[in-house]
Amino acid sequence: GAVVSQHPSRVICKSGTSVKIECRSLDFQATTMFWYRQFPKKSLMLMATSNEGSKATYEQGVEKDKFLINHASLTLSTLTVTSAHPEDSSFYICSARDIGNRGTDTQYFGPGTRLTVL
Amino acid sequence: AQSVTQPDIHITVSEGASLELRCNYSYGATPYLFWYVQSPGQGLQLLLKYFSGDTLVQGIKGFEAEFKRSQSSFNLRKPSVHWSDAAEYFCAVAPDTGRRALTFGSGTRLQVQP
Repeated sequence: GAVVSQHPSRVICKSGTSVKIECRSLDFQATTMFWYRQFPKKSLMLMATSNEGSKATYEQGVEKDKFLINHASLTLSTLTVTSAHPEDSSFYICSARDIGNRGTDTQYFGPGTRLTVL
Repeated sequence: AQSVTQPDIHITVSEGASLELRCNYSYGATPYLFWYVQSPGQGLQLLLKYFSGDTLVQGIKGFEAEFKRSQSSFNLRKPSVHWSDAAEYFCAVAPDTGRRALTFGSGTRLQVQP
């Protein structure tokens, strides 16, 4: 299957600082990527849809100014958590939508980023 | 809007026993259906997916799932469980149009006893 990477895999930061997380599709181009948040022992909650070359689409209740998304190329989306606070600590997972020549339409997930805000 | 229900939060099976994880969905048309597996601290790996055609879908690691429209179900099965199958399993649904954002079930944690 297709490969999606995330960097960093783990980050610890101080309250009030900003953290950037990168999501890359390594062997396919993705016009659409998604960002999810997963709380301990919980399911994944969709935060936003990242669209290459246009503004992200945020789910209800997700603060646009806090979670900045940029999709500058067909293989890279970034999520920046601005002015992070302890309640932002979570596991953030991205996925990339592969429409591709294989006739499939599947999301492939990155390994996730564990964010801890002190 | 679509929704997914995984009624079993936690299942324990013995190694070598068969497994069935339940998934029910709610969607107005025929959705795209997926099963993902997540090992501790890891991202999600796609086990199998259903878009159309044969309602019995074969996936990786010996898993299969059957789409039953009449029951709005997409249950995951494996004839003989291995200790390495212990993980969290998520059923997900996506609409057949638009951006295809996934809606996940709450997950089923599988424990495998020796």
